[in-house]
Amino acid sequence: GQQLNQSPQSMFIQEGEDVSMNCTSSSIFNTWLWYKQDPGEGPVLLIALYKAGELTSNGRLTAQFGITRKDSFLNISASIPSDVGIYFCAGNAGNNRKLIWGLGTSLAVNP
Amino acid sequence: DTAVSQTPKYLVTQMGNDKSIKCEQNLGHDTMYWYKQDSKKFLKIMFSYNNKELIINETVPNRFSPKSPDKAHLNLHINSLELGDSAVYFCASSQVLRGDTQYFGPGTRLTVL
Repeated sequence: GQQLNQSPQSMFIQEGEDVSMNCTSSSIFNTWLWYKQDPGEGPVLLIALYKAGELTSNGRLTAQFGITRKDSFLNISASIPSDVGIYFCAGNAGNNRKLIWGLGTSLAVNP
Repeated sequence: DTAVSQTPKYLVTQMGNDKSIKCEQNLGHDTMYWYKQDSKKFLKIMFSYNNKELIINETVPNRFSPKSPDKAHLNLHINSLELGDSAVYFCASSQVLRGDTQYFGPGTRLTVL
């Protein structure tokens, strides 16, 4: 099935560093979503974006819906150990109820 | 106050058996989904029901049969389990007027021996 191009695949950073990850699509999306999955848990919604150019924050997390509607990024500022997990992007083109998913970015934070 | 709940959390069974996983959401959403997450963590949509009507049915073996008795429940029955069915299965729900933002359950880890 279709997948989003999510990068980087994995990151290993020091506590306190900022993190940036992004997703690109070959087609236009109406919705971009960012999720975090902790080990043994289901994905938890972090930020939802519904308009091109939209910039939304959730605490230390900031995400943007790209102007071209084909990309989105997620930034985490001043990372802490509990930021460890897998971050997924997902998008919806609006023509059906199906989300297209990235393969995830695995984040490790060294205290 | 669990939003999307699944039972059981863990399921270990022998090849050839039939098993079911149950999902319930109390968010008042109109659409529910089943996903399969493999060892590489890719989330693959399997099925989706909107108000008890099947709207997404990906290429899934017909040993997998979803059933939605009402819009708050979506169960997954699997016949003749195979080794390759071992994975984590997630239920999710969404509401069409909220951009289809999906909310996930905690997952069911199925291990077929």
